[in-house]
Amino acid sequence: AQSVTQLGSHVSVSEGALVLLRCNYSSSVPPYLFWYVQYPNQGLQLLLKYTSAATLVKGINGFEAEFKKSETSFHLTKPSAHMSDAAEYFCAVSVGYSTLTFGKGTMLLVSP
Amino acid sequence: GAGVSQTPSNKVTEKGKYVELRCDPISGHTALYWYRQSLGQGPEFLIYFQGTGAADDSGLPNDRFFAVRPEGSVSTLKIQRTERGDSAVYLCASSLGTATQETQYFGPGTRLLVL
Repeated sequence: AQSVTQLGSHVSVSEGALVLLRCNYSSSVPPYLFWYVQYPNQGLQLLLKYTSAATLVKGINGFEAEFKKSETSFHLTKPSAHMSDAAEYFCAVSVGYSTLTFGKGTMLLVSP
Repeated sequence: GAGVSQTPSNKVTEKGKYVELRCDPISGHTALYWYRQSLGQGPEFLIYFQGTGAADDSGLPNDRFFAVRPEGSVSTLKIQRTERGDSAVYLCASSLGTATQETQYFGPGTRLLVL
């Protein structure tokens, strides 16, 4: 069975600083990996996904993630945080069939 | 276009009661998923449909939970004899198909509170 671990339930950054949200996965077969963002009282929105085409994946709102098989990681980064990035971020894995297995989420806090 | 919609947005019920939660997927999406998100946790898979049939219901916690999608569009998640532990946000998602890399589009969720 597959699983996802997100390190850090909360991450705080200053506006303009680098954002780094960590995700490690466990899977016995090549996975597909996803990052979703959840704003308060809204549904999950896809930021980006890795589907084996390229290891560096660019998503919406300036986010990107790099698939590193040797480290079983798929960390999410953004060079410069904006206040509007404050939200909860979920990493998810899908193998074999289409249902998603999510991590517990990381709340990103952005201070002025 | 319209996204995934879920009704009601909030539901408060008493322990032991029956509840129904409704999901309207994006038009043309053949796959529909239900997830449950408890406080402080990520969403957990419950069941998914390909067309009218439940392709995988392995995530349903027990036989009090049941879901249908009779015409291959709208789906209803039904919970019998609700318990306080059922309190959570129930999320619905849909996708064009069930290929592993298909993007799932999520609705805003139904927040269920069992008193």
